[in-house]
Amino acid sequence: EPEVTQTPSHQVTQMGQEVILRCVPISNHLYFYWYRQILGQKVEFLVSFYNNEISEKSEIFDDQFSVERPDGSNFTLKIRSTKLEDSAMYFCASTLGGLYNEQFFGPGTRLTVL
Amino acid sequence: AQTVTQSQPEMSVQEAETVTLSCTYDTSENNYYLFWYKQPPSRQMILVIRQEAYKQQNATENRFSVNFQKAAKSFSLKISDSQLGDTAMYFCAFMNPYSGNTPLVFGKGTRLSVIA
Repeated sequence: EPEVTQTPSHQVTQMGQEVILRCVPISNHLYFYWYRQILGQKVEFLVSFYNNEISEKSEIFDDQFSVERPDGSNFTLKIRSTKLEDSAMYFCASTLGGLYNEQFFGPGTRLTVL
Repeated sequence: AQTVTQSQPEMSVQEAETVTLSCTYDTSENNYYLFWYKQPPSRQMILVIRQEAYKQQNATENRFSVNFQKAAKSFSLKISDSQLGDTAMYFCAFMNPYSGNTPLVFGKGTRLSVIA
């Protein structure tokens, strides 16, 4: 069964460093998302991406964040200068689209900023 | 903006018993989708069940069923014959399907422990 994959599973970085989180969505899906879950809190939407551009973003998704689909398979989230409060689980999701677009989630990347 | 509220941070249930997790939401939309996602300790978010707001019939998936009360904006999840593998965080989520690449709006989750 096709699934969304994410790498790495755990990333530790120093404050101020750049990190890139990687996702491989399900191959025929067209819409891609990043969500974040700070420990003990709810899952929050960051950004959605379609047709090689951002289609929607939340207020969390500030200038420190960027997304890219560099090739036909990967979907990346870059944080330019990490802050302590960026420590969280980051989930990638994808969907085929259409009226009912069930989102399939990856296993998440745990980002720890020291 | 839509909001989703899960008022039970933690619940426990004996194996083989039935448990109901509560969820309420707020929206001005008439058509939307509601979901329950399960997040076991492995952290993978797994879709448990979904409900289309235009359908009056409550969704059912094996041991999982929902009680969807549109007027009350309530969407509870019932787990029958609870199993140890049901131990997880459960998130209620809302989606407006008419807004392009619609993001999910999640509640804060309910941590369910199934006790042997």
